[in-house]
Amino acid sequence: EIVMTQSPVTLSVSPGERATLSCRASQTVSGHLAWYQQKGSQAPRLLIYGASTRATGIPVRFSGSGSGTEFTLTISSLQSEDFAVYYCQQYIKWPITFGGGTKVEIK
Amino acid sequence: EVQLLESGGGLVQPGGSLRVSCEGSEFTFGSYAINWVRQAPGKGLEWVSAISGGGDSTKYADSVRDRFTISRDNSKNTLYLQMSNLRAEDTAVYYCARDNVAVAGSFGYAFDHWGRGTLVTVSS
Repeated sequence: EIVMTQSPVTLSVSPGERATLSCRASQTVSGHLAWYQQKGSQAPRLLIYGASTRATGIPVRFSGSGSGTEFTLTISSLQSEDFAVYYCQQYIKWPITFGGGTKVEIK
Repeated sequence: EVQLLESGGGLVQPGGSLRVSCEGSEFTFGSYAINWVRQAPGKGLEWVSAISGGGDSTKYADSVRDRFTISRDNSKNTLYLQMSNLRAEDTAVYYCARDNVAVAGSFGYAFDHWGRGTLVTVSS
Protein backbone atom coordinates (compact mmCIF):
# COMPACT_ATOMS: atom_id res chain seq x y z
CA GLU A 1 0.00 0.00 0.00
CA ILE A 2 1.03 3.62 -0.45
CA VAL A 3 2.24 5.10 2.82
CA MET A 4 1.49 8.78 3.37
CA THR A 5 3.79 10.64 5.77
CA GLN A 6 2.87 14.09 7.08
CA SER A 7 5.19 16.58 8.71
CA PRO A 8 5.41 18.12 11.14
CA VAL A 9 3.19 16.25 13.56
CA THR A 10 2.43 19.51 15.36
CA LEU A 11 2.78 23.04 14.02
CA SER A 12 2.58 26.04 16.34
CA VAL A 13 1.57 29.21 14.52
CA SER A 14 0.37 32.64 15.55
CA PRO A 15 -2.88 33.99 14.09
CA GLY A 16 -2.21 35.87 10.87
CA GLU A 17 0.94 33.91 10.09
CA ARG A 18 1.48 31.47 7.23
CA ALA A 19 1.34 27.73 7.84
CA THR A 20 3.01 25.19 5.57
CA LEU A 21 2.13 21.52 5.94
CA SER A 22 3.90 18.70 4.09
CA CYS A 23 2.78 15.32 2.85
CA ARG A 24 5.00 12.70 1.25
CA ALA A 25 3.89 9.55 -0.55
CA SER A 26 5.94 6.34 -0.60
CA GLN A 27 5.35 6.11 -4.35
CA THR A 28 3.96 8.45 -6.93
CA VAL A 29 0.29 9.39 -6.63
CA SER A 30 0.47 11.81 -9.57
CA GLY A 31 -2.11 14.50 -8.66
CA HIS A 32 -4.53 12.17 -6.86
CA LEU A 33 -4.08 13.88 -3.53
CA ALA A 34 -6.63 15.46 -1.21
CA TRP A 35 -6.40 17.48 2.01
CA TYR A 36 -8.96 17.46 4.82
CA GLN A 37 -9.49 19.54 7.93
CA GLN A 38 -10.90 18.06 11.12
CA LYS A 39 -11.91 20.09 14.16
CA GLY A 40 -12.36 18.26 17.44
CA SER A 41 -14.97 15.53 17.15
CA GLN A 42 -16.43 16.86 13.92
CA ALA A 43 -16.32 14.98 10.64
CA PRO A 44 -13.45 15.81 8.30
CA ARG A 45 -14.03 18.51 5.68
CA LEU A 46 -12.59 18.35 2.18
CA LEU A 47 -10.32 21.32 1.48
CA ILE A 48 -8.32 20.40 -1.62
CA TYR A 49 -8.55 17.66 -4.25
CA GLY A 50 -6.48 16.96 -7.32
CA ALA A 51 -3.53 18.29 -5.29
CA SER A 52 -4.43 21.93 -5.95
CA THR A 53 -8.18 22.41 -6.56
CA ARG A 54 -10.11 24.02 -3.73
CA ALA A 55 -13.36 22.31 -2.82
CA THR A 56 -16.62 24.23 -2.88
CA GLY A 57 -16.75 27.00 -0.32
CA ILE A 58 -13.12 26.74 0.80
CA PRO A 59 -11.49 30.14 1.37
CA VAL A 60 -8.71 31.24 -0.97
CA ARG A 61 -6.22 31.36 1.91
CA PHE A 62 -6.03 27.57 1.56
CA SER A 63 -3.85 26.38 -1.32
CA GLY A 64 -2.37 23.06 -2.35
CA SER A 65 0.63 22.29 -4.50
CA GLY A 66 2.87 19.44 -5.56
CA SER A 67 2.74 16.30 -7.65
CA GLY A 68 4.28 12.86 -7.68
CA THR A 69 5.38 12.20 -4.12
CA GLU A 70 5.74 15.63 -2.48
CA PHE A 71 2.79 17.85 -1.59
CA THR A 72 2.17 21.00 0.40
CA LEU A 73 -0.87 22.61 1.98
CA THR A 74 -0.42 26.31 2.67
CA ILE A 75 -2.68 28.46 4.79
CA SER A 76 -1.65 31.98 3.89
CA SER A 77 -2.89 33.82 6.99
CA LEU A 78 -4.17 31.68 9.82
CA GLN A 79 -7.58 32.53 11.23
CA SER A 80 -8.83 31.35 14.60
CA GLU A 81 -11.11 28.82 12.93
CA ASP A 82 -8.16 27.20 11.11
CA PHE A 83 -6.64 25.63 14.21
CA ALA A 84 -7.39 21.97 13.63
CA VAL A 85 -5.89 18.68 12.43
CA TYR A 86 -5.14 18.32 8.73
CA TYR A 87 -4.89 15.05 6.83
CA CYS A 88 -3.66 14.24 3.35
CA GLN A 89 -5.09 11.31 1.40
CA GLN A 90 -4.08 9.50 -1.78
CA TYR A 91 -6.71 8.01 -4.03
CA ILE A 92 -4.74 6.78 -7.01
CA LYS A 93 -4.43 3.22 -5.78
CA TRP A 94 -6.36 0.86 -3.50
CA PRO A 95 -6.35 0.85 -0.58
CA ILE A 96 -6.98 4.56 -0.21
CA THR A 97 -4.63 5.78 2.51
CA PHE A 98 -4.39 8.81 4.77
CA GLY A 99 -1.43 10.47 6.38
CA GLY A 100 -1.15 10.51 10.15
CA GLY A 101 -2.19 14.15 10.38
CA THR A 102 -0.68 17.51 11.32
CA LYS A 103 -2.13 19.39 14.26
CA VAL A 104 -2.03 23.16 13.79
CA GLU A 105 -2.12 24.81 17.19
CA ILE A 106 -2.04 28.35 18.47
CA LYS A 107 1.43 29.62 19.30
CA GLU B 1 -27.93 20.35 0.96
CA VAL B 2 -26.29 16.94 0.64
CA GLN B 3 -26.62 14.95 3.84
CA LEU B 4 -25.34 11.61 5.08
CA LEU B 5 -26.56 10.20 8.38
CA GLU B 6 -25.07 7.15 10.03
CA SER B 7 -26.84 4.95 12.55
CA GLY B 8 -26.57 1.58 14.22
CA GLY B 9 -23.44 1.96 16.30
CA GLY B 10 -23.19 0.61 19.81
CA LEU B 11 -21.45 -1.73 22.21
CA VAL B 12 -20.71 -5.26 21.02
CA GLN B 13 -18.67 -8.07 22.50
CA PRO B 14 -15.49 -9.36 20.83
CA GLY B 15 -16.41 -11.90 18.19
CA GLY B 16 -19.84 -10.37 17.78
CA SER B 17 -21.57 -8.74 14.82
CA LEU B 18 -23.11 -5.38 14.10
CA ARG B 19 -24.57 -3.58 11.11
CA VAL B 20 -24.23 0.16 10.67
CA SER B 21 -26.18 2.18 8.12
CA CYS B 22 -25.82 5.47 6.28
CA GLU B 23 -28.79 7.24 4.75
CA GLY B 24 -28.19 9.84 2.06
CA SER B 25 -30.42 12.70 1.04
CA GLU B 26 -30.57 15.68 -1.33
CA PHE B 27 -28.54 14.00 -4.05
CA THR B 28 -28.94 11.21 -6.58
CA PHE B 29 -27.76 8.47 -4.24
CA GLY B 30 -27.20 5.74 -6.82
CA SER B 31 -24.92 7.95 -8.93
CA TYR B 32 -22.15 8.13 -6.35
CA ALA B 33 -19.72 5.68 -4.86
CA ILE B 34 -19.67 5.83 -1.08
CA ASN B 35 -17.02 4.86 1.43
CA TRP B 36 -16.69 3.89 5.06
CA VAL B 37 -13.87 5.58 6.95
CA ARG B 38 -13.17 4.97 10.63
CA GLN B 39 -11.32 6.78 13.36
CA ALA B 40 -10.22 5.03 16.53
CA PRO B 41 -10.29 7.17 19.70
CA GLY B 42 -7.51 9.75 19.55
CA LYS B 43 -6.17 8.36 16.27
CA GLY B 44 -6.16 9.28 12.60
CA LEU B 45 -8.40 8.36 9.70
CA GLU B 46 -8.47 4.86 8.23
CA TRP B 47 -10.31 4.03 5.02
CA VAL B 48 -12.31 0.81 5.47
CA SER B 49 -14.36 0.05 2.37
CA ALA B 50 -15.95 1.48 -0.77
CA ILE B 51 -18.82 0.55 -3.05
CA SER B 52 -19.62 1.78 -6.54
CA GLY B 53 -22.78 3.70 -7.25
CA GLY B 54 -24.55 0.68 -8.71
CA GLY B 55 -23.28 -1.59 -5.96
CA ASP B 56 -21.62 -4.02 -8.34
CA SER B 57 -18.05 -3.33 -7.26
CA THR B 58 -16.55 -3.21 -3.78
CA LYS B 59 -13.16 -2.62 -2.16
CA TYR B 60 -11.87 -3.39 1.33
CA ALA B 61 -8.93 -2.60 3.54
CA ASP B 62 -6.90 -5.68 4.41
CA SER B 63 -7.68 -5.13 8.11
CA VAL B 64 -11.39 -5.84 7.54
CA ARG B 65 -11.45 -8.05 4.46
CA ASP B 66 -13.41 -11.27 5.01
CA ARG B 67 -15.00 -9.84 8.19
CA PHE B 68 -16.86 -6.77 6.89
CA THR B 69 -19.30 -6.55 3.99
CA ILE B 70 -20.35 -3.30 2.34
CA SER B 71 -23.66 -3.10 0.48
CA ARG B 72 -26.25 -0.57 -0.57
CA ASP B 73 -29.95 -0.32 -1.34
CA ASN B 74 -30.37 2.54 -3.78
CA SER B 75 -34.16 2.31 -3.57
CA LYS B 76 -33.81 3.29 0.09
CA ASN B 77 -30.85 5.68 -0.37
CA THR B 78 -29.02 3.64 2.22
CA LEU B 79 -25.52 2.21 2.59
CA TYR B 80 -24.65 -0.60 4.96
CA LEU B 81 -21.60 -2.08 6.63
CA GLN B 82 -22.09 -5.54 8.07
CA MET B 83 -19.33 -6.22 10.58
CA SER B 84 -18.63 -9.66 11.97
CA ASN B 85 -15.99 -11.31 14.15
CA LEU B 86 -15.40 -7.90 15.71
CA ARG B 87 -12.19 -7.18 17.57
CA ALA B 88 -11.21 -4.55 20.13
CA GLU B 89 -9.18 -2.79 17.45
CA ASP B 90 -12.36 -2.21 15.43
CA THR B 91 -13.50 0.26 18.08
CA ALA B 92 -13.90 3.57 16.29
CA VAL B 93 -16.24 6.21 14.97
CA TYR B 94 -17.43 5.01 11.58
CA TYR B 95 -18.08 7.69 8.97
CA CYS B 96 -19.68 7.31 5.58
CA ALA B 97 -18.24 9.61 2.94
CA ARG B 98 -19.25 10.28 -0.64
CA ASP B 99 -16.92 10.37 -3.64
CA ASN B 100 -16.72 13.87 -5.06
CA VAL B 101 -17.15 12.62 -8.63
CA ALA B 102 -20.07 10.70 -10.12
CA VAL B 103 -18.61 8.57 -12.90
CA ALA B 104 -20.47 5.49 -14.02
CA GLY B 105 -18.39 2.39 -13.45
CA SER B 106 -15.57 4.23 -11.73
CA PHE B 107 -14.81 5.06 -8.11
CA GLY B 108 -11.92 6.01 -5.90
CA TYR B 109 -11.87 9.78 -5.56
CA ALA B 110 -11.70 12.42 -2.85
CA PHE B 111 -14.57 12.54 -0.35
CA ASP B 112 -16.65 15.70 -0.49
CA HIS B 113 -19.45 14.96 1.98
CA TRP B 114 -19.22 13.10 5.27
CA GLY B 115 -21.73 12.03 7.86
CA ARG B 116 -21.32 12.82 11.55
CA GLY B 117 -20.27 9.28 12.33
CA THR B 118 -21.51 6.46 14.56
CA LEU B 119 -19.46 5.00 17.41
CA VAL B 120 -18.79 1.28 17.48
CA THR B 121 -17.28 -0.05 20.70
CA VAL B 122 -16.01 -3.62 20.88
CA SER B 123 -15.54 -4.65 24.48
CA SER B 124 -16.52 -7.34 26.93
